[in-house]
Amino acid sequence: DVKVTQSSRYLVKRTGEKVFLECVQDMDHENMFWYRQDPGLGLRLIYFSYDVKMKEKGDIPEGYSVSREKKERFSLILESASTNQTSMYLCASRPSPGQYYEQYFGPGTRLTVT
Amino acid sequence: ILNVEQSPQSLHVQEGDSTNFTCSFPSSNFYALHWYRWETAKSPEALFVMTLNGDEKKKGRISATLNTKEGYSYLYIKGSQPEDSATYLCAFQGGSEKLVFGKGTKLTVNP
Repeated sequence: DVKVTQSSRYLVKRTGEKVFLECVQDMDHENMFWYRQDPGLGLRLIYFSYDVKMKEKGDIPEGYSVSREKKERFSLILESASTNQTSMYLCASRPSPGQYYEQYFGPGTRLTVT
Repeated sequence: ILNVEQSPQSLHVQEGDSTNFTCSFPSSNFYALHWYRWETAKSPEALFVMTLNGDEKKKGRISATLNTKEGYSYLYIKGSQPEDSATYLCAFQGGSEKLVFGKGTKLTVNP
């Protein structure tokens, strides 16, 4: 079974803190994604990566950066957390670019910024 | 930004009822249409990835159809059960690796 894990289920941080959300997948997938989910807005793509050290902005990258130093790990970084970044963050992975594959999601991290 | 619309936003049905929801997406630059089920406190899980116009897929009591020319997909649940209660998401995949998700249809099945 494909497994996508995220470092924390719940996280509380203060405004201005630098926050790291970690995601690890164990199936050697090339593509990895970070989404946030907010009530009434659905899943929105923040960043994705199609290979080690490669990244592309999604629809809402402002205030975030990412790091992919190893194939299995994709980190989302909030450079200076703000209250409007309080949200559920979901990581996902998918194999081989250009193929009709489903995405596999992690359990999510519910981040509260106070 | 591409627009993917799902309707209805929420739905309450009785156990045993059959139901369906709609996903509308751009009819140009189509690559694939994904359906996911997201149960509370769990991760979204894939139901179907559909690629061809006229495609029909089935998994148990759940089935889906695809019309790429007019840009819609239907998800059907036959004989709904309480364990079918979840949010059902569709996602449009155009000519890239990105998926654009709809806001979902929240289904509640009452025993």
